[in-house]
Formats: sequence, C-alpha cells, structure tokens
Amino acid sequence: QKEVEQDPGPLSVPEGAIVSLNCTYSNSAFQYFMWYRQYSRKGPELLMYTYSSGNKEDGRFTAQVDKSSKYISLFIRDSQPSDSATYLCAMIGGVYSSASKIIFGSGTRLSIRP
Amino acid sequence: GAVVSQHPSRVICKSGTSVKIECRSLDFQATTMFWYRQFPKKSLMLMATSNEGSKATYEQGVEKDKFLINHASLTLSTLTVTSAHPEDSSFYICSASKASGTGELFFGEGSRLTVL
Repeated sequence: QKEVEQDPGPLSVPEGAIVSLNCTYSNSAFQYFMWYRQYSRKGPELLMYTYSSGNKEDGRFTAQVDKSSKYISLFIRDSQPSDSATYLCAMIGGVYSSASKIIFGSGTRLSIRP
Repeated sequence: GAVVSQHPSRVICKSGTSVKIECRSLDFQATTMFWYRQFPKKSLMLMATSNEGSKATYEQGVEKDKFLINHASLTLSTLTVTSAHPEDSSFYICSASKASGTGELFFGEGSRLTVL
C-alpha cells in the first residue's frame, strides 16, 4: 500500500464549479499537509499548508484535514480556466524543518472548461 | 517569493554520455536541496537529499554512482547523470528551502532529459 493515495483524475469541470480534490494516507505520523499546483512542464508551487485537523481557507481555496480518517481535501470555489493544472497533495511526518522529506501523492489532473 | 533556477530546462544527449543539471537558489541560501524525478502523469519521486558541504543522502533504489550530486555552496547543487541511457529520460526537479525560514520548499522549473 502506498503511503499516500490520490484520486488520479483526470477531472474536468465547467468554469465556476466547485472542485474537490482528495488524498488518503496510511501513516499516522504525518503531521504536516500541503497542496501543490503544477502547470505542465513546470515545477510545483505551494498552494496551501496546514498541520491541524479542520479547515483552512485562502481566497477561493480551502484545505481540509481529517486526521482521524487520514483524509485530506482541497476545495476550489468559483473555478477558473487558469486553475487547470495538476494538483499534488504532500505530507511530512514529525516536525517540519528545512531538511524534512516530503511524500507526494501521484497528482490529480484538473481541467476547467470555459 | 524565493526563486530557484534550474539549468538546462531541456537537454538531449546520446546514450553513454554524462549530463549535468544545475539547481541554484537565486535570492536565498539553501543548506538543503532535494532532487526529484517525475515520470509522465506520475508524482515526484525523491531521489536524494543534498546538504551543503557533505555527501548527499540517496533514497533506496537510487544509484549514487549513476546520479552524482554535489552541493558545493549554499546556492548551488548539481545533479550529474553519468553514462546516461534511454531509461534515464525523465523530468528532473530540484527544490530548496531557506536556511533560516519556515521550511517552505521552493521548486525549480525542472529539467527535461531525453537520452537517445
């Protein structure tokens, strides 16, 4: 079993829809959770990070963590064509430091139709 | 935000040759840099952790003699793919975090290697 499982997609939704992206994990040591966005042929960029169960909101993006179920989600409201990208969930066990090893999900390819 | 630059962005080489990819943190010092490999439609696979002034730590299954990593300064790490073969063709991405900071990782733009 992989440490991090992510719905592979691809996911295609119309502009303005609410998008839900999800990951599950098996290692209860994971404490720090992140979502990265990666455009084609580019490096990933950090969208959001959180270390506690519950919701964290940033503009149109909401990150949700449920540690009891080992389940995390990223919601995108009022989706835009510019949101079309691959979204990667990522996790770290223990204390987050500059030397922490990040475990990535396989990524979900999202396409927003105008 | 911090900038991490990779060079070259694309490289094509013949089988048996060696290729060097550079990763630079342009506006911050990075004591630790990470090298990843990404296959099409797959996630990033951590290859090694590069620490300035010391030997890199390789992940299980990654050949250290094949993928040479050098982190000679606080702003530069290099990955050399030695005696490249077609199966080494991939997208290689580096990341770095600030020596003093929250630990947030900043990724390079990636380098696409094609071995003929």
